[in-house]
Amino acid sequence: DTAVSQTPKYLVTQMGNDKSIKCEQNLGHDTMYWYKQDSKKFLKIMFSYNNKELIINETVPNRFSPKSPDKAHLNLHINSLELGDSAVYFCASSPQGLSGANVLTFGAGSRLTVL
Amino acid sequence: DAKTTQPPSMDCAEGRAANLPCNHSTISGNEYVYWYRQIHSQGPQYIIHGLKNNETNEMASLIITEDRKSSTLILPHATLRDTAVYYCIVIRHNAGNMLTFGGGTRLMVKP
Repeated sequence: DTAVSQTPKYLVTQMGNDKSIKCEQNLGHDTMYWYKQDSKKFLKIMFSYNNKELIINETVPNRFSPKSPDKAHLNLHINSLELGDSAVYFCASSPQGLSGANVLTFGAGSRLTVL
Repeated sequence: DAKTTQPPSMDCAEGRAANLPCNHSTISGNEYVYWYRQIHSQGPQYIIHGLKNNETNEMASLIITEDRKSSTLILPHATLRDTAVYYCIVIRHNAGNMLTFGGGTRLMVKP
């Protein structure tokens, strides 16, 4: 069983569209994340979310919004897509607690291409 | 969180030990050293972490200097599948869960 699964793996869409990427984890973890990896391969944190707190990287445009229907899911919604949004998006999760909070399990990534 | 410095790339012969250095001279007393790697076209993978003692697990060993200003990740018998970008990250436990990745070291294991 895949621990952190993302869908779709590939997404090609037009500028101006709204799209979502889904993420599910079956690890029982309390915290989930979204990361963006651009063409230069820099990996940047976008959001960190648990049932108590959403932490947003201040550089993330408000066109991006995480939505969590339950503890096991954190979906990424993107409105009014722009060319610069083309990237690979990674979902991740981690347990709570001092010993595990920084041990993240990542999904395989979702490659978004905006035309 | 403390900044880290890693060489941009390294080569290693298959079967030999790969020693990846990381400098973190501004590390604070409550900050841990974490190592992750990212194999091409995959998500990052956690390897190991430590505070001040040396650590070993099934994947690697982590050697932290006594002054904690630098560390070395050791892959004892590198294989071709260890070719990846290796990230050294210094962060507090429960640091608001905002783990960030820098440039990393691109390790190429060669036959």
